[in-house]
Amino acid sequence: EAGVTQSPTHLIKTRGQQATLRCSPISGHTSVYWYQQALGLGLQFLLWYDEGEERNRGNFPPRFSGRQFPNYSSELNVNALELEDSALYLCASSPREVPGYEQYFGPGTRLTVT
Amino acid sequence: QKEVEQDPGPLSVPEGAIVSLNCTYSNSAFQYFMWYRQYSRKGPELLMYTYSSGNKEDGRFTAQVDKSSKYISLFIRDSQPSDSATYLCAMSVNTGNQFYFGTGTSLTVIP
Repeated sequence: EAGVTQSPTHLIKTRGQQATLRCSPISGHTSVYWYQQALGLGLQFLLWYDEGEERNRGNFPPRFSGRQFPNYSSELNVNALELEDSALYLCASSPREVPGYEQYFGPGTRLTVT
Repeated sequence: QKEVEQDPGPLSVPEGAIVSLNCTYSNSAFQYFMWYRQYSRKGPELLMYTYSSGNKEDGRFTAQVDKSSKYISLFIRDSQPSDSATYLCAMSVNTGNQFYFGTGTSLTVIP
């Protein structure tokens, strides 16, 4: 069974630009979660999508947004990039019938803002 | 005050040692407690979860939750070099709610 995949692996942007990160969940999983892992801060919850709807949002500004497509894949958009947005962005998926603690993580996208 | 506190380490132990990893938290509403392992350049993988208080054992790993003290632990027996990784605790109020992660403890097991 293929795991959660994320693309691109690395992304380098300059301040003020927009970044788009993509995630494909495990087949059959309907929920997708996005996290930011910045150095020294641990994983910070960003967004949770299920069945195409945004279900919950972490304490991040509106320039962090996303969506979930009918095939359950997801996209995270970060507008007006700031230097402190440099981090590893992790996507996780879980199946609907299993409690949300069973989150399976992808390898992440490393975003560098210069 | 952070929701979840975790000593970042690093922690270095000889092979075969018993490792104790700990997290404290401030929100008494947390009911679900998870431990994840993250190898370098990889995403976290779920090791164990517990609901409410008590102990749970899985092979060499034991997870403990003490809700009265707002303290959770992960014990690794007979530690192996392959256990070298960063260990993250996570917790949530409900399964549909957001997870709160600790910053992770870096563990190195020396052969």
